[in-house]
Amino acid sequence: EDQVTQSPEALRLQEGESSSLNCSYTVSGLRGLFWYRQDPGKGPEFLFTLYSAGEEKEKERLKATLTKKESFLHITAPKPEDSATYLCAVQPPVSGSARQLTFGSGTQLTVLP
Amino acid sequence: KAGVTQTPRYLIKTRGQQVTLSCSPISGHRSVSWYQQTPGQGLQFLFEYFSETQRNKGNFPGRFSGRQFSNSRSEMNVSTLELGDSALYLCASSRGENEKLFFGSGTQLSVL
Repeated sequence: EDQVTQSPEALRLQEGESSSLNCSYTVSGLRGLFWYRQDPGKGPEFLFTLYSAGEEKEKERLKATLTKKESFLHITAPKPEDSATYLCAVQPPVSGSARQLTFGSGTQLTVLP
Repeated sequence: KAGVTQTPRYLIKTRGQQVTLSCSPISGHRSVSWYQQTPGQGLQFLFEYFSETQRNKGNFPGRFSGRQFSNSRSEMNVSTLELGDSALYLCASSRGENEKLFFGSGTQLSVL
């Protein structure tokens, strides 16, 4: 059974204090790993898709990386507006449905001004 | 371009009742998936539809059902509501097989 574990559960940072969020997964034949951001009262908002070990994607202050066992979401010089819950999700192997994502429980990030 | 639209935004029901939630996908998206989000279990896959056919179903009881119409709009139905069905129900659409999911804001269901 696919498993996704995110750590830490919660993270409080001062504005400008860089850090990383972790997503470890156990899935045979990873098809894709997704990062989403979710604000209170809203649905998840897509950030990145990673497909193979060594791949990196960047967007503004965020950079996502992927290894064979885990993914990291690096946040550089965060701002209060980066406060949200960050979710990691994996697609099942090729034999499964690409839309049946397995989500981690998320990391709730708070950036203090 | 309009995003995924879910109605209603909030629902309050009592145990034993049934409920129908609606989802309009992004124009041109033919795939609709449904997820349940709770504080304890997080986001869990319910089912997905493509071209009016249910393609896959998660590990939920038969009280949870859905359908998709020819215009790609989708509905999900929960019968004989239980307290544990209280959750945020999220709909997501995608253009194709390996395309990313776009989520709506969800329907917050409270069962009293």
